[in-house]
Amino acid sequence: AQSVTQPDIHITVSEGASLELRCNYSYGATPYLFWYVQSPGQGLQLLLKYFSGDTLVQGIKGFEAEFKRSQSSFNLRKPSVHWSDAAEYFCAAPNYGGSQGNLIFGKGTKLSVKP
Amino acid sequence: DGGITQSPKYLFRKEGQNVTLSCEQNLNHDAMYWYRQDPGQGLRLIYYSQIVNDFQKGDIAEGYSVSREKKESFPLTVTSAQKNPTAFYLCASSIEITGELFFGEGSRLTVL
Repeated sequence: AQSVTQPDIHITVSEGASLELRCNYSYGATPYLFWYVQSPGQGLQLLLKYFSGDTLVQGIKGFEAEFKRSQSSFNLRKPSVHWSDAAEYFCAAPNYGGSQGNLIFGKGTKLSVKP
Repeated sequence: DGGITQSPKYLFRKEGQNVTLSCEQNLNHDAMYWYRQDPGQGLRLIYYSQIVNDFQKGDIAEGYSVSREKKESFPLTVTSAQKNPTAFYLCASSIEITGELFFGEGSRLTVL
């Protein structure tokens, strides 16, 4: 069955430090892949998406993600975290069948930023 | 600006009452979705609709109902049959069934 896994439930980093959030997927073919961000009490906003081509994808707010087929991963990175990046981050991929609609979401990683 | 509007933002309900959450989009998207979000459980799909007058159950449809009479609108009714309705509800839309999702700002329902 298709799945999207975010191994880290909660990560804390210091402001100015680098960040990497992990996402692993289980698919037979190369999927489309998405990263969304959610601030408390808000909806989800798209950070970036991978469809095909260059495996390093640039997004909004200084985020990037790299698709690695050999590792079935699509990790999100940022070189220098700002306090405003504190939020919950969700990785997602298309659902080819089943009752989950069009995207399967990971459980999310909550990011806290220390001053 | 194009987008998805959910209302109300906050809603309180007494046990045994039905309540309807509104979702309107002006993105001209065919597909619309309702998700429920609880702490630590990610997003769970309640219902989705790929086209007007058609909708399908998601993973947690019990106790919920929807309608899709217009392309722009996809209201969700939380019925008294839903045993634990207190949650954050998110509406979304997409151009096609495997495409990027666009989300509303959410509605928080609290049952007193």
